[in-house]
Amino acid sequence: EAQVTQNPRYLITVTGKKLTVTCSQNMNHEYMSWYRQDPGLGLRQIYYSMNVEVTDKGDVPEGYKVSRKEKRNFPLILESPSPNQTSLYFCASRGWEGQETQYFGPGTRLLVL
Amino acid sequence: AQSVTQLGSHVSVSEGALVLLRCNYSSSVPPYLFWYVQYPNQGLQLLLKYTTGATLVKGINGFEAEFKKSETSFHLTKPSAHMSDAAEYFCAVRTLSNTGNQFYFGTGTSLTVIP
Repeated sequence: EAQVTQNPRYLITVTGKKLTVTCSQNMNHEYMSWYRQDPGLGLRQIYYSMNVEVTDKGDVPEGYKVSRKEKRNFPLILESPSPNQTSLYFCASRGWEGQETQYFGPGTRLLVL
Repeated sequence: AQSVTQLGSHVSVSEGALVLLRCNYSSSVPPYLFWYVQYPNQGLQLLLKYTTGATLVKGINGFEAEFKKSETSFHLTKPSAHMSDAAEYFCAVRTLSNTGNQFYFGTGTSLTVIP
């Protein structure tokens, strides 16, 4: 089954404790993105990647890192989480330039205390 | 940066009534346009998209949207609402002037369907 998976689905952590949210897709897609969803703000793009080792900042990259060492994986790293990073996070992928449909993962709900 | 405006964060319609969800974008260059639906505790699912060609696009579940360049709008409609349409709806754009994969989303419209 074609899908985007994220782990963990739920995470409670404390300020300053490094964490990684994994994202994997099995569709051989070139493009991947991370979004955060906050009430009243919709979805905002954090980082995106156009292929292996090619990443770029979205609208709200501060406090986040990403890497794309393999085509299928695109982990989101919070080196020193803060309470304002409490949010619902979505990973998404799409095939190639001209293939515009994004496929979203199920989301990761993060609470930073 | 681009902006996407969805008028009305909450819309209520009666079952069987017309659904109209509004979306306006700020790009001066015609972008790619999308509507997504999000059911509770789920990810986003694509309803429909406009890239090129016919400005009236049809999507899943009986929804359609019309790209109007002169109005910079891409409103979503459905002739007859069903209870199962209750969800959050997001309009999104990808501008062709961007390289790669930068998408901008509206703040969402929560649709309630009244029996």
